[in-house]
Amino acid sequence: EVQLVESGGGLVKPGGSLRLSCAASGFTFSNAWMSWVRQAPGKGLEWVGRIKSKTDGGTTDYAAPVKGRFTISRDDSKNTLYLQMNSLKTEDTAVYYCTTSGIAVAGDAFDIWGQGTMVTVSS
Amino acid sequence: SYVLTQPPSVSVAPGKTARITCGGNNIGSKSVHWYQQKPGQAPVLVIYYDSDRPSGIPERFSGSNSGNTATLTISRVEAGDEADYYCQVWDSSSDHLGVFGGGTKLTVL
Repeated sequence: EVQLVESGGGLVKPGGSLRLSCAASGFTFSNAWMSWVRQAPGKGLEWVGRIKSKTDGGTTDYAAPVKGRFTISRDDSKNTLYLQMNSLKTEDTAVYYCTTSGIAVAGDAFDIWGQGTMVTVSS
Repeated sequence: SYVLTQPPSVSVAPGKTARITCGGNNIGSKSVHWYQQKPGQAPVLVIYYDSDRPSGIPERFSGSNSGNTATLTISRVEAGDEADYYCQVWDSSSDHLGVFGGGTKLTVL
């Protein structure tokens, strides 16, 4: 079964750090381009960033609000995606989803999603 | 940055047709993906590349894209279709490479 399972969410103070993990199974993780998408309470979806497969360069791209504060990385030996979040702000409070493309359908649509992990930034 | 505009809400009676629009500058030149999200759940892909349906998505769901508007059409609407729907494109010129619309709440009357 194709699956993405996020972990690592929790309560953190403004200015603090948190690392999220996303464990993948049921597909060839090393070939996948992986993204993080977040959703603030009662709000819409917001793309956070992505990492390409190592064969495609392994490069990362980030949305402007998180650039310079968040870092996406991957460990293909562990089939795991990470999101390191530093200098957290209250506006980073959201459910964070791990997602990928090209698994159930060909192309760049997000066809597999994790269940999400909640990050709350509050003093 | 590239902006996708969706109506906040659409209401439709069971058995009727719902149309949810997604507006963007020359969006017809881009590929549009649509996601359904029910309360407390992760999004689910329902339409990709403007009009293709993933396996398991009913034929009642269809999509089109031309000019400045993409449209998700749900025929013979059922109570179970009540959800939030989001359009999404990739835009290399945007500071948000992956761009989502603001979402539309579909209410089945």
